[in-house]
Amino acid sequence: GEDVEQSLFLSVREGDSSVINCTYTDSSSTYLYWYKQEPGAGLQLLTYIFSNMDMKQDQRLTVLLNKKDKHLSLRIADTQTGDSAIYFCAERSGGYQKVTFGIGTKLQVIP
Amino acid sequence: GAVVSQHPSWVICKSGTSVKIECRSLDFQATTMFWYRQFPKQSLMLMATSNEGSKATYEQGVEKDKFLINHASLTLSTLTVTSAHPEDSSFYICSAAGGGSGNTIYFGEGSWLTVV
Repeated sequence: GEDVEQSLFLSVREGDSSVINCTYTDSSSTYLYWYKQEPGAGLQLLTYIFSNMDMKQDQRLTVLLNKKDKHLSLRIADTQTGDSAIYFCAERSGGYQKVTFGIGTKLQVIP
Repeated sequence: GAVVSQHPSWVICKSGTSVKIECRSLDFQATTMFWYRQFPKQSLMLMATSNEGSKATYEQGVEKDKFLINHASLTLSTLTVTSAHPEDSSFYICSAAGGGSGNTIYFGEGSWLTVV
């Protein structure tokens, strides 16, 4: 079945760039997503990338996709304290709407 | 853009009672919605797929008689936790595909259930 893996924790200083990595196993993934979850809150869609793309940039966010290695990364430029949250990588296979999530990476931004 | 709304956001109930959580797609129709559960410090686990006008499809290990799902209209799916126990306390969240091409999966705000 599908499997999505992420590291559990990342700590960066305010103003630095953060890079959160994710690997997945399903070669039929069509869309890959990054969601943000703040404490006690629901999921906020940050960005998504279609599997035939290598990169997508949206303001401070840059998503890189290496489909050959099934590796996805999220880069946050000029990381702010408000970026502290858990970031979930997720993949969607084929024409299905079911999404498989990684365990989430907790990003801690140090002032 | 597409929005998915859940209600209630927080609910506390007594053991043995039933609790209903609603998931609405506010500006689009969703023939399929998904219900997830998240335990503390863990990822989201898919519980079931809610299909408009038909029975829900449950993931392995999820009790369909305990977690009743009804998708009576194209904009509303409900999850009822029946005979709730403290171990059912969790964060429940729904999702639906929205947007013109269905590219984006939108999630509700989530519902925190505490069973005492």
